[in-house]
Amino acid sequence: QVQLQESGPGLMKPSETLSLICTVSGYSISTGYYWGWIRQPPGKGLEWIASIYHSGSTYYNPSLKSRVTISADTSKNQFSLKLTSVTAADTAVFYCARVSVYNYYMDVWGKGTTVTVSS
Amino acid sequence: QSALTQPPSASGSPGQSVTISCTGTSSDVGGYNYVSWYQQHPGKAPKLMIYEVSKRPSGVPDRFSASKSGNTASLTVSGLQAEDEGDYYCSSHAGSNNLVVFGGGTKLTVL
Repeated sequence: QVQLQESGPGLMKPSETLSLICTVSGYSISTGYYWGWIRQPPGKGLEWIASIYHSGSTYYNPSLKSRVTISADTSKNQFSLKLTSVTAADTAVFYCARVSVYNYYMDVWGKGTTVTVSS
Repeated sequence: QSALTQPPSASGSPGQSVTISCTGTSSDVGGYNYVSWYQQHPGKAPKLMIYEVSKRPSGVPDRFSASKSGNTASLTVSGLQAEDEGDYYCSSHAGSNNLVVFGGGTKLTVL
């Protein structure tokens, strides 16, 4: 079955750039679907960050667009997120997910990776 | 502040029904039939429960149903069971510049 696994740094300092990788197994990301990142600050709700289409088209949350880049490496069946100039407000669990094209629902999620920004 | 508005909490006794609302605008919930609902248990990833307003993925009990009227979507859980307790989030497509927006979440308690 399709599985997604996030990997990230865990602990970061303010102003650094966050880099996350989502490794997909059981499905080739170049075949179809959007692939996306969602975050959840401690005790708070979900926030969609960005998605990339299997063709390479990218989509960003307008509130984060200036700091975010999503990309994909089809040879490794991975997609990645970079978030620049992090602050404590970026502390969250970051999830990667498969997003259905045309219907925009997320049917497969990774388990999440916690990123803490602290000086 | 979340794009979609949900009540922070809801509750019901085992066997009862509870409905959670999700209010947006004509630019998201009201403009597209792409409302989804997710269940999240503590420390776990969200799980898709409803897509395209009212469709249930395979394996989701038919106790979960959903609908939409205008700018408000609703999730109903019938015959409440203890395992239904958790956080529920709605989401909607909001156009090509804002692929997905979420609600703030509703904590469902089974009394």
